[in-house]
Amino acid sequence: GQQVMQIPQYQHVQEGEDFTTYCNSSTTLSNIQWYKQRPGGHPVFLIQLVKSGEVKKQKRLTFQFGEAKKNSSLHITATQTTDVGTYFCAGFTDKLIFGTGTRLQVFP
Amino acid sequence: NAGVTQTPKFQVLKTGQSMTLQCAQDMNHEYMSWYRQDPGMGLRLIHYSVGAGITDQGEVPNGYNVSRSTTEDFPLRLLSAAPSQTSVYFCASSYARQGGLNEQYFGPGTRLTVT
Repeated sequence: GQQVMQIPQYQHVQEGEDFTTYCNSSTTLSNIQWYKQRPGGHPVFLIQLVKSGEVKKQKRLTFQFGEAKKNSSLHITATQTTDVGTYFCAGFTDKLIFGTGTRLQVFP
Repeated sequence: NAGVTQTPKFQVLKTGQSMTLQCAQDMNHEYMSWYRQDPGMGLRLIHYSVGAGITDQGEVPNGYNVSRSTTEDFPLRLLSAAPSQTSVYFCASSYARQGGLNEQYFGPGTRLTVT
């Protein structure tokens, strides 16, 4: 069945450093979504990518969708303490399957 | 506009007991789903529905039943609770569109402990 893996599982960075999480699917995806979950909260939608090779930016966040539509990445430039949380990708074929998530900790 | 609501927020069950987790949305979303979240496992899809009267299995459906009699409600039933079902359960909903889904709106979650 469809599987979505993310690496790394955890990342600790100093405030101001960059951060990247990678998402890989076992199957070709129709589209991919990214979510952020703060500790104790529920996942909150960040963005959706649909086209092969698509790149989207939201302030310090850059999202990419691979050419084969099987992988994606989220890059945060100059992390801030407000970036703390777990970042999930979610790939859609006939249902939405979430990745395992990357927990980001930012030290001031 | 309440969004996605879930009840209860917390529940403790004994092994073998049954219960229903409630989920409702007031956004007229076609697509609704249930996920469970365990440490280090991410969010795993239990069941989903693309509209009233239509449900399908996700990644981990065993031990859970669902029904979708209305657009608004998507209850999740545990027929005979087991300790392995201790988890945080999230309900989500979204509009469906051709070839995909729009953003998922999540409820606040139900924290379930089975002893």
